[in-house]
Amino acid sequence: EAQVTQNPRYLITVTGKKLTVTCSQNMNHEYMSWYRQDPGLGLRQIYYSMNVEVTDKGDVPEGYKVSRKEKRNFPLILESPSPNQTSLYFCASSLLAGGVNEQFFGPGTRLTVL
Amino acid sequence: AQRVTQPEKLLSVFKGAPVELKCNYSYSGSPELFWYVQYSRQRLQLLLRHISRESIKGFTADLNKGETSFHLKKPFAQEEDSAMYYCALSSLTGGGNKLTFGTGTQLKVEL
Repeated sequence: EAQVTQNPRYLITVTGKKLTVTCSQNMNHEYMSWYRQDPGLGLRQIYYSMNVEVTDKGDVPEGYKVSRKEKRNFPLILESPSPNQTSLYFCASSLLAGGVNEQFFGPGTRLTVL
Repeated sequence: AQRVTQPEKLLSVFKGAPVELKCNYSYSGSPELFWYVQYSRQRLQLLLRHISRESIKGFTADLNKGETSFHLKKPFAQEEDSAMYYCALSSLTGGGNKLTFGTGTQLKVEL
């Protein structure tokens, strides 16, 4: 089944403890992106990647890192999580980095930072 | 900078009533607009895009450049339409495929 997967789905951690949220797609998509969803703010883009080894900042990149060593994987790294990073995170991918391309979303990762 | 506005957080209608979810945008270029839907306990998925000019699950949306709007409409609401709806604008920023989302409207269809 063509899909975007994320792990873990739920995570509770403490301030300062490094964590990684994985994202993988099996559709051979070039473009991948991370969003965070917060009440009243909708979804905001954190980072995106147009292809392997090509990444760039979105609207809210502070406190996050990403890497794109393989086409299918796009992990989100929080080196030193803080409570304001408590949120619902979505990974998405699309075939190409074009304006009309549909983005396919993962199921979401609910992160709580204490 | 692009911006998408969905003025209603919650829209409650009765089954069989017409539905209109409002979306306004600001963007200096030629916009590519989408509606995404998130049903309870499911992932976000594309409902329709303006370029396709299609009707999905009875929903339509017309791009009005003069009013910078992309309202989502359905003549007769069904219970299964209850969900969170997001309007989104796609822009090519530095070569990326950035989706700018509105804050979403929760549609509740009551019996």
